[in-house]
Formats: sequence, structure tokens, C-alpha cells
Amino acid sequence: DIQMTQSPSFVSASIGDRVTITCRASQDISNYLAWYQQKPGKVPKLVIYAASSLQSGVPSRFSGSGSGTVFTLTISPLQPEDFATYYCQQGDSMPPTFGQGTKVEIK
Amino acid sequence: QVQLVQSGAEVKKPGSSVRVSCKSSGGTFSSFGINWVRQAPGQGLEWMGGIIPVLGTGNYAQKFQGRVTITADESTSTVYMELSSLTSEDTAVYYCARDHPMVRGFEAFDIWGQGTMVTIS
Repeated sequence: DIQMTQSPSFVSASIGDRVTITCRASQDISNYLAWYQQKPGKVPKLVIYAASSLQSGVPSRFSGSGSGTVFTLTISPLQPEDFATYYCQQGDSMPPTFGQGTKVEIK
Repeated sequence: QVQLVQSGAEVKKPGSSVRVSCKSSGGTFSSFGINWVRQAPGQGLEWMGGIIPVLGTGNYAQKFQGRVTITADESTSTVYMELSSLTSEDTAVYYCARDHPMVRGFEAFDIWGQGTMVTIS
């Protein structure tokens, strides 16, 4: 199985900051990478697919980039509703696998 | 607007089985894959398997092979996930999630059910 490793595991940031989360795949996954946002007790929500495509309805302050083995999710400027845990997921080969998550906390 | 509505919370004994349903409404059911993803308390997301209803054959993570069965009933637009030989480690919220229609299967999940809490005790 392809391993997905996110860094950092926790990030403390203020409203208006620029936050960048990195996801590394254990092998080349082209651009088959998605990002999800999950708030406590809520359902995961798709934010980015195909590494850089913004899901419908998601604010443009979210952006994704990367290909191959290194990917980033950037949130700028950070808004109060963005405090959540973010997961990356590879869809290149079976089984789809998720990163361990990055929690974005209020500074 | 497509919605996925799951069955209610379950409490099961160790060694038993559980079946969770996921009913689709508001859109085309058969063409897009439906996946099952679980999340243990305080933990991350784990893909268990998926099915494209029109094809009828499930794909499963190796970890769950032999223990999970995913089926689809096109007449009711419902996908079922059955997990057997339950242990305390299966205590989790189980989500169904649809394949994003703009990409290939299993690549991204755009619509999720509300989740079903399964407790093994």
C-alpha cells in the first residue's frame, strides 16, 4: 500500500495567516491526490481533488499544488471557520490511503 | 442534489456481524462508485472498500478481505456494508462516500453520508 505522510501533525496559526500543509507519498502518484477538511464531530468535506482542482463551493483561499510524491495544501488568509483537521488521500492505486491528518489550531 | 443517508447507530457483541446501509437520493445512483471509510475514535480515516452499483462487484482493502462484503441494490438505490467477526477494534464511525464524477474511481470522494457509529461491546 502507498503510505501518505503529512507534516506537520499540528499547526498553530492566527486569523489572516498563511498556512501550508505538506503531504508526501511513498511512491509516485502523479496528481491523484485529494484533500479533505474535517471539523470535530462532523463529516469529512472534499476541498481539493486532482492535486490542484478546487471542489465546487470551496473558497478560493484554499489551493493545492504538487505532483509525483510531494503535495501541498495552502490556506491564505486563514479564517475562523478553517480551524479543523486536514487529510490528504491518494487515489493512484488500490487501496486508496489517507495521511494521518494535520490539525490546524487557533494561536 | 445527491444525498447519502445512512442507517442508525449500532451496538454489537464481539464475534457478531453488522450491516450498515447507505441510501442515495437526488441523482444517478448506478454509475458512480460508493465507498466505505471508517474512523475509529480520535483516529484518522481508513478506506475499507467500494462498489460501482452497475457493475455489482466490490473492491476491498486487503486488511478487510474475507470479513467485509459490500453490495448494492439498484431498485432502492442503496449500498450495504456488512462486517463480520467484530472485535473492539471495529468500534468506529462508518461513512459511505461517493466517487467524484469528474475523476476516476477511488480518486476522490465528494459526497459523504452522515456516518454510522458502530460500537462493539
